[in-house]
Amino acid sequence: EVQLLESGGGLVQPGGSLRLSCAASGFTFSNYAMTWVRQAPVKGLEWVSTISGSGTSTYYADSVKGRFTISRDSSKNTVFLQMNSLKAEDTAVYFCAKDPRGAVGWFDPWGQGTLVTVSS
Amino acid sequence: DIVMTQSPDSLAVSLGERATINCKSSQSVLYNSNNNNYLAWYQHKPGQPPKLLIYWASTRESGVPDRFSGSGSGTDFTLTISSLQAEDVAVYYCQQYYSSLRTFGQGTKVEIK
Repeated sequence: EVQLLESGGGLVQPGGSLRLSCAASGFTFSNYAMTWVRQAPVKGLEWVSTISGSGTSTYYADSVKGRFTISRDSSKNTVFLQMNSLKAEDTAVYFCAKDPRGAVGWFDPWGQGTLVTVSS
Repeated sequence: DIVMTQSPDSLAVSLGERATINCKSSQSVLYNSNNNNYLAWYQHKPGQPPKLLIYWASTRESGVPDRFSGSGSGTDFTLTISSLQAEDVAVYYCQQYYSSLRTFGQGTKVEIK
């Protein structure tokens, strides 16, 4: 069974940094792109970033480009999201999700999410 | 970026009745070389992660009840719940994966009338 477990969320001041982790199990991690999606309070889903299975290709939403960095460690079956220069509008539940094999596509499954709150 | 627009924003349907959600993309998500529409649908209930329902616009994910169906092509798509059940109360999202910069619709909230 595929499992994704996010961690690293919390309260951070504007301008601060946070690193999210997503530990994956139940599949061959290096064969799949991985993605972060967020949901701000009372808002819809927003795709944030994707990293290819090999880690050589990365993609970012305009809203986070230059501030967030996605990476992965295949020895630990973990994908990371380094978030710098955080703003109040980055407050959200952050989900990690698995892409289909060999492609950038739909998201399935999703982790339970981790809450990031940016506030002074 | 490809903008996805859903309609309506919310709808209330009686138990056992049909619910229809529309999704329109700002450009075609039909890939001509393979004739596939790069569109997925999700169901999202409070306190849970989103759940994949449909991909390739009309392919139902394993385990999804057959009362859920997807249709459409190019820029216009529809998610239909043929006979609404109480457990279908949720927010539904469409999502395009034609572009590597994936985008979601704003969501449609489905409630019981």
